[in-house]
Amino acid sequence: DAGITQSPRYKITETGRQVTLMCHQTWSHSYMFWYRQDLGHGLRLIYYSAAADITDKGEVPDGYVVSRSKTENFPLTLESATRSQTSVYFCASGQGYEQFFGPGTRLTVL
Amino acid sequence: QKEVEQDPGPLSVPEGAIVSLNCTYSNSAFQYFMWYRQYSRKGPELLMYTYSSGNKEDGRFTAQVDKSSKYISLFIRDSQPSDSATYLCAMSEAHAGNNRKLIWGLGTSLAVNP
Repeated sequence: DAGITQSPRYKITETGRQVTLMCHQTWSHSYMFWYRQDLGHGLRLIYYSAAADITDKGEVPDGYVVSRSKTENFPLTLESATRSQTSVYFCASGQGYEQFFGPGTRLTVL
Repeated sequence: QKEVEQDPGPLSVPEGAIVSLNCTYSNSAFQYFMWYRQYSRKGPELLMYTYSSGNKEDGRFTAQVDKSSKYISLFIRDSQPSDSATYLCAMSEAHAGNNRKLIWGLGTSLAVNP
């Protein structure tokens, strides 16, 4: 199916565990983005990527790691999850300034 | 003060009303302006995309950009209950290089009552 998908859609984990959120797009967009969305803070950019092997920090990168070995995939890893990382995570992709969003992953860190 | 300000609402209107949603911004270098719609527990969906100033119309939706006032608007005509959602504005400068970061408003919650 064309578009952008995220997995898992829901995840519950414990403090200190490593968690990886997956993002896959079929449009061959150059740019990919990871956001978190929290009440009162809106959408905040974590990391973004301009192409395979090119990534850069966003507004709130601490505690997160990204990689992009293939154009279509942009996984986000929480190296040691903390309660403050409980949030809804959105992946997006785009070619210019427009961004197209995935359905989100709802992550709870206990 | 945030670069982009958006009244969070909630805004409640009767079905059929004309809805006006607005964002103000402080950075005069912004050139790209977008409106997204986000239904509850879903990802944001791009509604309107405007470059520089002027109006853009798409069906019941009209986007306006007033760069002199640093003010953008989204108008929804003949509003429907299915328009009930949070509306987010986003904008960007014209960046050289790889920067495609958007600056986001916090969103306005809209309820259209049948």
